[in-house]
Amino acid sequence: DAKTTQPPSMDCAEGRAANLPCNHSTISGNEYVYWYRQIHSQGPQYIIHGLKNNETNEMASLIITEDRKSSTLILPHATLRDTAVYYCIVRVLTGNQFYFGTGTSLTVIP
Amino acid sequence: GAVVSQHPSWVICKSGTSVKIECRSLDFQATTMFWYRQFPKQSLMLMATSNEGSKATYEQGVEKDKFLINHASLTLSTLTVTSAHPEDSSFYICSASGGADTQYFGPGTRLTVL
Repeated sequence: DAKTTQPPSMDCAEGRAANLPCNHSTISGNEYVYWYRQIHSQGPQYIIHGLKNNETNEMASLIITEDRKSSTLILPHATLRDTAVYYCIVRVLTGNQFYFGTGTSLTVIP
Repeated sequence: GAVVSQHPSWVICKSGTSVKIECRSLDFQATTMFWYRQFPKQSLMLMATSNEGSKATYEQGVEKDKFLINHASLTLSTLTVTSAHPEDSSFYICSASGGADTQYFGPGTRLTVL
């Protein structure tokens, strides 16, 4: 079962930062937080992942709270091509299975 | 890097026939591959986990005799939907992991059973 909760949908103006929240209050100490996105009728695309520290790559930044019970994915300058469903996933320790929650449907508005 | 392909990208078949879907890791060796199913407007549901050279592990509620998984090499896994019925129509997605934490997903296969 998914261990994360996300808002079902969000809008963001093109060129502005998109901040996507995720709650994972039952996360265990060694479990990573992953973010993927899925554009309609395609396979999910890896964005970023982290354990405790904030992470940044060419696509996004991941901010994890100190208690690790929530995180925020930040797309610094959203474009129309960032319109997708964004999934926050906690990797289960017993294997490397991913259990997807319902995700957040992000719409970037011109 | 980390490219995963699937073949075919879409398939239409008659009820009662079997359909095979291939998943390949093109530029890395995948010690573990995963198969997911996604119905319209729903999230991905993990069906099974397969490790190269061993039997797949199926999630609860997934019929192992209906969804046959073979992971014969470090770059290829196949999913065969046996005796397909209209309710098996779905988007099937595979992912591959090279032993590190991250999974890389294929583009998906759209199965329509008439």
